[in-house]
Amino acid sequence: DTGVSQNPRHKITKRGQNVTFRCDPISEHNRLYWYRQTLGQGPEFLTYFQNEAQLEKSRLLSDRFSAERPKGSFSTLEIQRTEQGDSAMYLCASSSVTGDSPQHFGDGTRLSIL
Amino acid sequence: KQEVTQIPAALSVPEGENLVLNCSFTDSAIYNLQWFRQDPGKGLTSLLLIQSSQREQTSGRLNASLDKSSGRSTLYIAASQPGDSATYLCAVNSGYSTLTFGKGTMLLVSP
Repeated sequence: DTGVSQNPRHKITKRGQNVTFRCDPISEHNRLYWYRQTLGQGPEFLTYFQNEAQLEKSRLLSDRFSAERPKGSFSTLEIQRTEQGDSAMYLCASSSVTGDSPQHFGDGTRLSIL
Repeated sequence: KQEVTQIPAALSVPEGENLVLNCSFTDSAIYNLQWFRQDPGKGLTSLLLIQSSQREQTSGRLNASLDKSSGRSTLYIAASQPGDSATYLCAVNSGYSTLTFGKGTMLLVSP
């Protein structure tokens, strides 16, 4: 069990650029979640997948955000035309389908928009 | 809409003290509740998960209780150590798989 892995750990980009983050879940987990956390706040849910199906999206996920999990394994989160307000820590978590399974989080990708 | 509140927002204690962190939630129809630890600049480490049918869970010096009917959970840390310094987050699963988090309690344990 290597845990949830997220890359890159840090991303600095100029406003208006596109960025893509990757998440590799724990291998036997078929649920994968994306959250966003700003300073001093708890994480906020963005979207989640069960296998390759995206089952729920938060209203926080504007049209500039897109997430994929093409083969039910790793996932990518892309932000197009980044804005200052997108600066945050983007966290990925995974869990198994069973209801009593805890979510396990990666170390996140910290995005800074210049 | 589920809302989660954590009190206090920050707590500073000397090493060796026992302490209690509080979490309250507005909708008691929850599936489970999870306590996490977050170190600065890091992700979340799961500490304890309590199912809605359970009253408490224990792991080492940590004990978490759940009173679903009153919408409250507490995390008890015994004999605190400087290494316990971190932000502690409470998160509620209301049955839709996603977690609703509080803002956390920032704990500082001084030697």
